[in-house]
Amino acid sequence: GAVVSQHPSWVICKSGTSVKIECRSLDFQATTMFWYRQFPKQSLMLMATSNEGSKATYEQGVEKDKFLINHASLTLSTLTVTSAHPEDSSFYICSAKYLSGNTIYFGEGSWLTVV
Amino acid sequence: DAKTTQPNSMESNEEEPVHLPCNHSTISGTDYIHWYRQLPSQGPEYVIHGLTSNVNNRMASLAIAEDRKSSTLILHRATLRDAAVYYCIPVNRDDKIIFGKGTRLHILP
Repeated sequence: GAVVSQHPSWVICKSGTSVKIECRSLDFQATTMFWYRQFPKQSLMLMATSNEGSKATYEQGVEKDKFLINHASLTLSTLTVTSAHPEDSSFYICSAKYLSGNTIYFGEGSWLTVV
Repeated sequence: DAKTTQPNSMESNEEEPVHLPCNHSTISGTDYIHWYRQLPSQGPEYVIHGLTSNVNNRMASLAIAEDRKSSTLILHRATLRDAAVYYCIPVNRDDKIIFGKGTRLHILP
């Protein structure tokens, strides 16, 4: 079936630094990708919708200057957490939607720990 | 976005069928009903989706009420690997997926 891959699967960074997480659709093209954040024992929270070739649409309360999203191709979207702080430590998950389909596939998730 | 109501948690014995209910009384006519599940420390996994008719695949069956205000995900023979949080989500073709709290399914050996 369709596969969405995230990299890295886990990362530890120092407070104040930036970290980039990649999301790739491996065997299909995705015009739309979504980024979620999940804290322990909570549900996934949608952060932003990423459209290929255009600016991302952020959900209310999500700082667009802190969470930079780039969707430069039909198979790759990146999330950069800038000036990371310990409270940004979380499980970040991306998903990709088939070009013309109604099914969305999720990546394996990326654990971010800011120390 | 259509709101959903699911039990916080359910338990089932291994090798028995499991019926996971979901109420989505505000669903629109063009919303598909999607089910995803999430195992610990993993991204959500697609399970099944449908519009009006009941659907079957290798993982599960989806029974949709005639008025579409509720649906039931059926795992025919639960295994320990089915222990996960199950999310029922109405999805419009052009819209985003918003997760509710889901149902945490515990499988008893």
